[in-house]
Amino acid sequence: AAGVIQSPRHLIKEKRETATLKCYPIPRHDTVYWYQQGPGQDPQFLISFYEKMQSDKGSIPDRFSAQQFSDYHSELNMSSLELGDSALYFCASGLKGQGRYEQYFGPGTRLTVT
Amino acid sequence: DAKTTQPPSMDCAEGRAANLPCNHSTISGNEYVYWYRQIHSQGPQYIIHGLKNNETNEMASLIITEDRKSSTLILPHATLRDTAVYYCIVRPNMNYGGSQGNLIFGKGTKLSVKP
Repeated sequence: AAGVIQSPRHLIKEKRETATLKCYPIPRHDTVYWYQQGPGQDPQFLISFYEKMQSDKGSIPDRFSAQQFSDYHSELNMSSLELGDSALYFCASGLKGQGRYEQYFGPGTRLTVT
Repeated sequence: DAKTTQPPSMDCAEGRAANLPCNHSTISGNEYVYWYRQIHSQGPQYIIHGLKNNETNEMASLIITEDRKSSTLILPHATLRDTAVYYCIVRPNMNYGGSQGNLIFGKGTKLSVKP
């Protein structure tokens, strides 16, 4: 079965640079969630989208923004990168519109800021 | 959302059942219990969820006590590949309002399956 696709899988950036992470949800899923997992920490919710509209917002820094496009893929844009942004970034998708709230996660993007 | 308490770590012998407990004593009537696991640095994986009845799927069984204040995830025949951090998460039934569906991960239980 098709899974959530994230690209790139690894990304190295320098401080103050920008980064864009992409997420392709499972086909026909209508909801995308973004999570950040720092070293040795548990995943923390950043932001979610349902039917291309922002649905919920968590601990996402103002330097970050995200959107969901007409084809349901989502991008997380990160600017003025800081060393503390080094983390695994997971995208998950789900079928909220059908009343199903389990989330299916991608393999993650490992961002390293130097 | 109700808080959950899980033991930080557990060991299990390969081939034996792994029983992972979770306490959610403040759970309210419209909140579900979800279980996810994360194998080292991989994306979390959905396992199972339930409201008040016991549930079983191809991965695991979920036993919820009658008062719903605790639950147990059972992996019937643990394998080395089941070594992971297991998260018990309580979430409102979104059909009756509540949060928009994001997961709040606690510390979880690190399960080590040993040969």
